[in-house]
Amino acid sequence: RKEVEQDPGPFNVPEGATVAFNCTYSNSASQSFFWYRQDCRKEPKLLMSVYSSGNEDGRFTAQLNRASQYISLLIRDSKLSDSATYLCVVNPNSGGYQKVTFGTGTKLQVIP
Amino acid sequence: NAGVTQTPKFRVLKTGQSMTLLCAQDMNHEYMYWYRQDPGMGLRLIHYSVGEGTTAKGEVPDGYNVSRLKKQNFLLGLESAAPSQTSVYFCASKPPSGSSYNEQFFGPGTRLTVL
Repeated sequence: RKEVEQDPGPFNVPEGATVAFNCTYSNSASQSFFWYRQDCRKEPKLLMSVYSSGNEDGRFTAQLNRASQYISLLIRDSKLSDSATYLCVVNPNSGGYQKVTFGTGTKLQVIP
Repeated sequence: NAGVTQTPKFRVLKTGQSMTLLCAQDMNHEYMYWYRQDPGMGLRLIHYSVGEGTTAKGEVPDGYNVSRLKKQNFLLGLESAAPSQTSVYFCASKPPSGSSYNEQFFGPGTRLTVL
């Protein structure tokens, strides 16, 4: 089983739709979780961290389910500019050099 | 504040040639990383460094060497390039603490083709 698994998609959704991505992780001791966004032929950039209590940033909501070992990202009212690949990132360590594991990404295409 | 920069942006090599990729950051970050990204594989860690003068192997270190002689620079070397090293290479840096200590800041990438 991969350390971090994501549905590669693509998810093709119309503008204004709500879309959700899930990501599962295998290491139950993992401490930190993140969603990064990567535009085509560009570098990844942090979208948001994922906290145990769940967190929201505008149209984006991230949630963590430790019991089932998955994190999710919900995007409401999708915009054309949301089209990108979303990377799930897991840090298995509580400190030190903060090496993280990246998922392979889920591609989102928002259609006019 | 340029952030993380990478040189070169593109390169084509022949099998057996050598080259060095340069990563520079002006954010005074302690941690630096080299990744490669291949279709369907995601980002895989090649080598990383937790400070000036220290380096360590990541997930896929074979065929690569690194050096961190100065805090702001992290060099990735390919001594004898192979077609399997055709990839997009990303450098990243991260502070050890502070408000953004969990965030890795990436450079724009180097697209390398080995023929």
